[in-house]
Amino acid sequence: DIQMTQSPSSLSASIGDTITITCRASQGIRNYLAWFQQKSGKAPESLIYAASSLQSGVPSRFSGSGSGTDFTLTISGLQPEDFATYYCQQGHSYPLTIGGGTKVELK
Amino acid sequence: EVQLVESGGGLVQPGESLRLSCAASGFTFSDHYMDWVRQAPGKGLEWVGRTRDKGKSYTTEYAASVKGRFTISRDASGNSLYLQMNSLRTEDSALYYCVRSGAVAANYHYMDVWGKGTTVTVSS
Repeated sequence: DIQMTQSPSSLSASIGDTITITCRASQGIRNYLAWFQQKSGKAPESLIYAASSLQSGVPSRFSGSGSGTDFTLTISGLQPEDFATYYCQQGHSYPLTIGGGTKVELK
Repeated sequence: EVQLVESGGGLVQPGESLRLSCAASGFTFSDHYMDWVRQAPGKGLEWVGRTRDKGKSYTTEYAASVKGRFTISRDASGNSLYLQMNSLRTEDSALYYCVRSGAVAANYHYMDVWGKGTTVTVSS
């Protein structure tokens, strides 16, 4: 199975900050990577697919990059609604696997 | 508007069975892969399984933790997805999400729309 490792597991940031979350796959997954956002008590929402393509309606302050084993999610100019937990997920091979999550909290 | 509405969750005892349903609307159901993803209380997301689209004969894949106990199926005449869960264990207690997947390539289907989930509690 492909292991997905996210870092950090949590971070504190202020409104307007730019933050980066890293996701590493235990083997190469091309660009078959997605990012999800989950706000407290809510269902996850899809942000990015194919490592860097934004889902419809996702603000442009979100961006993704990477290929192979190393990927990043960047939020440029944090907004109040961005404080949430973020997950990466590989779609390269079965079983599909999801990272442990990164909780973004208000400093 | 694309919508996924799960139902069927509840409280069951270990060893019992439960069937979850997901009513889909707003898109051509047969054209999409569909997934089940679960989240135990206070934990992260765990992929449970997938059914492919009509073109791939609705074939399925499962996580090792549920293989042989859970079965994913679709209503051939309607727009419903099911998760039949047998031999339930306490560790299956979770919020279960129904998720639609889109495709950018023949072999890459990405989750794009999530339902709100239904809660399963397995306890004696």
